Amino acid sequence: DARVTQTPRHKVTEMGQEVTMRCQPILGHNTVFWYRQTMMQGLELLAYFRNRAPLDDSGMPKDRFSAEMPDATLATLKIQPSEPRDSAVYFCASGPTGASSVFEAFFGQGTRLTVV
Amino acid sequence: DAKTTQPTSMDCAEGRAANLPCNHSTISGNEYVYWYRQIHSQGPQYIIHGLKNNETNEMASLIITEDRKSSTLILPHATLRDTAVYYCIVSPWGGSSNTGKLIFGQGTTLQVKP
Repeated sequence: DARVTQTPRHKVTEMGQEVTMRCQPILGHNTVFWYRQTMMQGLELLAYFRNRAPLDDSGMPKDRFSAEMPDATLATLKIQPSEPRDSAVYFCASGPTGASSVFEAFFGQGTRLTVV
Repeated sequence: DAKTTQPTSMDCAEGRAANLPCNHSTISGNEYVYWYRQIHSQGPQYIIHGLKNNETNEMASLIITEDRKSSTLILPHATLRDTAVYYCIVSPWGGSSNTGKLIFGQGTTLQVKP
């Protein structure tokens, strides 16, 4: 059963620490989305990649957030330094863009980040 | 990508049909209508999509108006497990398209009651 895997599922860290969240997209999917969800803002698109290249990261605070795809099986979202306002659930999703019969993006279970 | 408008919340009795409306008056010709739902604390889940024609799958039906400016998601026999936030999205992303992204609005919180 193919699925998007996110690690860790939960992370508690102190303000100022670096946080790295990882996502393993479904094999063969060439589009990866990163979202952040909070009660106040809902689901916000932070960045997305196609064929490992960043297409749009306009939703991401550039001073402290960075997103990369070192290879086709791994996407990372890094926060350095972390702040309490970064506390949220971070979701990764993948989809096979360009596949004529496929329209579904698959979401991982999310990483719940708490910055204290 | 075009913007959508959905009611904030709706109730539905268990076993009855749930009809969730969505307005997307600025939709472009190449944009699909997508519906996703998010059950508490889980990642969003794809339900259905359409371009012009009405669509049906094992989960739901999607009715798109002829002018494509609005749509309705229908859950024919709602169960308690259908309680979730339902998101209507319009985007050129998907299929053979190489453009677009999925932008989520605030969605409709559907509460199915016994």
